Amino acid sequence: ILNVEQSPQSLHVQEGDSTNFTCSFPSSNFYALHWYRWETAKSPEALFVMTLNGDEKKKGRISATLNTKEGYSYLYIKGSQPEDSATYLCATFSGGYNKLIFGAGTRLAVHP
Amino acid sequence: EAGVTQFPSHSVIEKGQTVTLRCDPISGHDNLYWYRRVMGKEIKFLLHFVKESKQDESGMPNNRFLAERTGGTYSTLKVQPAELEDSGVYFCASRDSGAYGYTFGSGTRLTVV
Repeated sequence: ILNVEQSPQSLHVQEGDSTNFTCSFPSSNFYALHWYRWETAKSPEALFVMTLNGDEKKKGRISATLNTKEGYSYLYIKGSQPEDSATYLCATFSGGYNKLIFGAGTRLAVHP
Repeated sequence: EAGVTQFPSHSVIEKGQTVTLRCDPISGHDNLYWYRRVMGKEIKFLLHFVKESKQDESGMPNNRFLAERTGGTYSTLKVQPAELEDSGVYFCASRDSGAYGYTFGSGTRLTVV
């Protein structure tokens, strides 16, 4: 059984703080890791798809790293803004590219 | 390009009733997926279509759930009869063959009372 774990479950930060979350996944039979940003009643928005060990990707103030050997990925948000408030989901493939296994998400609240 | 569209956005039905959810994928995407998030838990895979064929329906909870994709375009997911534990957000996603990335719809929030 493939388990994807995310921590923390929720996080409250002040505007301007930098923060990071963790996604842990089984390192065997790794295909790719996805990060999504999800606001309730909206579509989960794809942030990054990462495939190679040591990958680092950046999109504005958000960046992510990947370690496939030890089975973890970090998502960083620099200078958090209230509009960053959302649930951040990570997911990895199970047995090919047609079944994503999601973690339960990290719910981020950024307070002005 | 238009994204993945789901209808309705919300549905409240009584236990025992039938509900049909619809998903219109991105045009040209052969792969279509249904996922579900039950309150506070992980988003979980339900099934996968390639064009009109079901490739993997291992995540379907039971035979009260029926998915179809006639003509390989839009898909429907019917729950009959609905039970309280079916409440949750049902997401549809599509993917172009050869790409890693999925595009998700905004989901249908189903509440069974």
